[in-house]
Amino acid sequence: KQEVTQIPAALSVPEGENLVLNCSFTDSAIYNLQWFRQDPGKGLTSLLLIQSSQREQTSGRLNASLDKSSGRSTLYIAASQPGDSATYLCAVWGGGSNYKLTFGKGTLLTVNP
Amino acid sequence: GAGVSQTPSNKVTEKGKYVELRCDPISGHTALYWYRQSLGQGPEFLIYFQGTGAADDSGLPNDRFFAVRPEGSVSTLKIQRTERGDSAVYLCASSSDRGTEAFFGQGTRLTVV
Repeated sequence: KQEVTQIPAALSVPEGENLVLNCSFTDSAIYNLQWFRQDPGKGLTSLLLIQSSQREQTSGRLNASLDKSSGRSTLYIAASQPGDSATYLCAVWGGGSNYKLTFGKGTLLTVNP
Repeated sequence: GAGVSQTPSNKVTEKGKYVELRCDPISGHTALYWYRQSLGQGPEFLIYFQGTGAADDSGLPNDRFFAVRPEGSVSTLKIQRTERGDSAVYLCASSSDRGTEAFFGQGTRLTVV
């Protein structure tokens, strides 16, 4: 059974700092990995999708990496802003006949002005 | 439509009642997923549709839960004899095909009193 772990559970940083969120998964036979953002009381917003054949994906100030063999992904946020404050969720698409996303519990990020 | 739409946004029901939650996926998306999220947790998989058929319903907690997608677009999640433990946010997502980038709706917050 696929398990996804996110570290740290919560992170508080001053505005302007670069930061890294970590995600690990137990079964490396995945299709893709997807990072989401969730604001309080809201649904999930897709940030980045990394295909299993890719090593990294970039969107604006966000850069996500994937090391499939070691079961790890990182989300790098450059020059953080207060508007980046949210919960960040990592999810993996299982391989084989498993076409569902398995989520971690998320990292609650607070960027202080 | 422009995004995944879920109705209602909030539902309060009495213990033992029947509820239906609706999901309108992005037009043309063949894959549709239902997830359930409790406070402080990541979303948990319930069921996945590919077209009209339920390809994987392994996440449904018991036989009080049922979902349909009769025409391959709109889906309804049905919960019979609701219990207080069913209280959660129910999220729907769609993707153009299985294993591709998933887009989530804003969720339905279900409260069973």
